[in-house]
Amino acid sequence: DAGVIQSPRHEVTEMGQEVTLRCKPISGHDYLFWYRQTMMRGLELLIYFNNNVPIDDSGMPEDRFSAKMPNASFSTLKIQPSEPRDSAVYFCASRRLAGDTGELFFGEGSRLTVL
Amino acid sequence: GENVEQHPSTLSVQEGDSAVIKCTYSDSASNYFPWYKQELGKGPQLIIDIRSNVGEKKDQRIAVTLNKTAKHFSLHITETQPEDSAVYFCAASGSILTGGGNKLTFGTGTQLKVEL
Repeated sequence: DAGVIQSPRHEVTEMGQEVTLRCKPISGHDYLFWYRQTMMRGLELLIYFNNNVPIDDSGMPEDRFSAKMPNASFSTLKIQPSEPRDSAVYFCASRRLAGDTGELFFGEGSRLTVL
Repeated sequence: GENVEQHPSTLSVQEGDSAVIKCTYSDSASNYFPWYKQELGKGPQLIIDIRSNVGEKKDQRIAVTLNKTAKHFSLHITETQPEDSAVYFCAASGSILTGGGNKLTFGTGTQLKVEL
């Protein structure tokens, strides 16, 4: 299996521009998570999906952030408009099992720099 | 919600020595405690986990201990090697009963450096 695939790996954009990050989870995994990693705040859960349905988006920082999962093999995280404080590494992760168990498989991340 | 604290933030050991990383959590209902290793430029990867009905778990050079009464858990790496150098994260999963079953809260990470 190729693992969780994220694109782009690096994105540099200017403040005010729209940013779209993409994720392909591992086939057969029915949970998908978006995390943000910064030096100051560590790894923060933004949103997660179960069977393509958003379950908890309480970690999404504000209305500028949105996430979709149109099918089991694709998800996007969009920031519009972007701001310098959005600069971070964004990780997508997927897993199979429900509840408190189950290994999270992370992608290699998308490093976003907003100038 | 759950709050996980991790110490130390950096740890430097000599090759062959042991390394210990400690975490505390706040939600007494948490019952799943994984540890992830993150190498430079990569995503975190699970190395070991423990559930609240177990006090200790070992996998080769890695072991994790859990003290539910004190709400803390620790990662122990013995006979450290240069390839153990990475950032290590502890995490805790909240209770399904309060809707936290799928939400891992991560500690702030420990940068481990194993020196030759």
